[in-house]
Amino acid sequence: QVQLKESGPGLVQPSQTLSLTCTVSGFSLTSNSVHWVRQPPGKGLEWMGGIWGDGSTDYNSALKSRLSISRDTSKSQVFLKMNSLQTDDTAIYFCTRWEWSNYFDYWGQGVMVTVSS
Amino acid sequence: DVVMTQTPVSLPVSLGGQASISCRSSQSLVHSNGNTYLHWYLQKPGQSPQLLIYRVSNRFSGVPDRFSGSGSGTDFTLKISRVEPEDLGDYYCLQSTHFPLTFGSGTKLEIK
Repeated sequence: QVQLKESGPGLVQPSQTLSLTCTVSGFSLTSNSVHWVRQPPGKGLEWMGGIWGDGSTDYNSALKSRLSISRDTSKSQVFLKMNSLQTDDTAIYFCTRWEWSNYFDYWGQGVMVTVSS
Repeated sequence: DVVMTQTPVSLPVSLGGQASISCRSSQSLVHSNGNTYLHWYLQKPGQSPQLLIYRVSNRFSGVPDRFSGSGSGTDFTLKISRVEPEDLGDYYCLQSTHFPLTFGSGTKLEIK
């Protein structure tokens, strides 16, 4: 069955770089795209960006200068890297699969990232 | 960016009652291919969002028929009939017609 699971550090210092991994199973990264969505504590959802089946990427313009999404298809993993972290980047980070009818159908459990010194 | 205005912010309902959530977009969500990419999600406490309705009115696999979606253009509605305890949580609309993708700000469904 389709599964996604995020992993990464729970704590990042301000100005440092966040690195997260999304490990997927039950589908191929060359057939489906995977996106990242984040949610600050007690707040709503924000689309960050995604990587398509052909390896191309799309980013939220608000984050584009700090964000990079890549993948390793042999390991079924998608990576998020975001630099220059600030306290308002504290959030739960989710990876989610994009279905061909243009919606997110399966989600990971999310990983909480706190930006603090 | 397309702004998704979701109302109400909080929606107290009685178990067994009906709930209605509105989502309005700052521009039409009709894609050049004729499809309208407006979807609804429920996020239960401590969980990741789960898809309820895709493309305005299509229930996702396993979603009970108590949930229904309607609307067109810029104005969309999610209706929940015969509310059950498992329906409580935060509801979000998502538009995927235009990039960047944008979510509504959420509606908390709670017991009256």
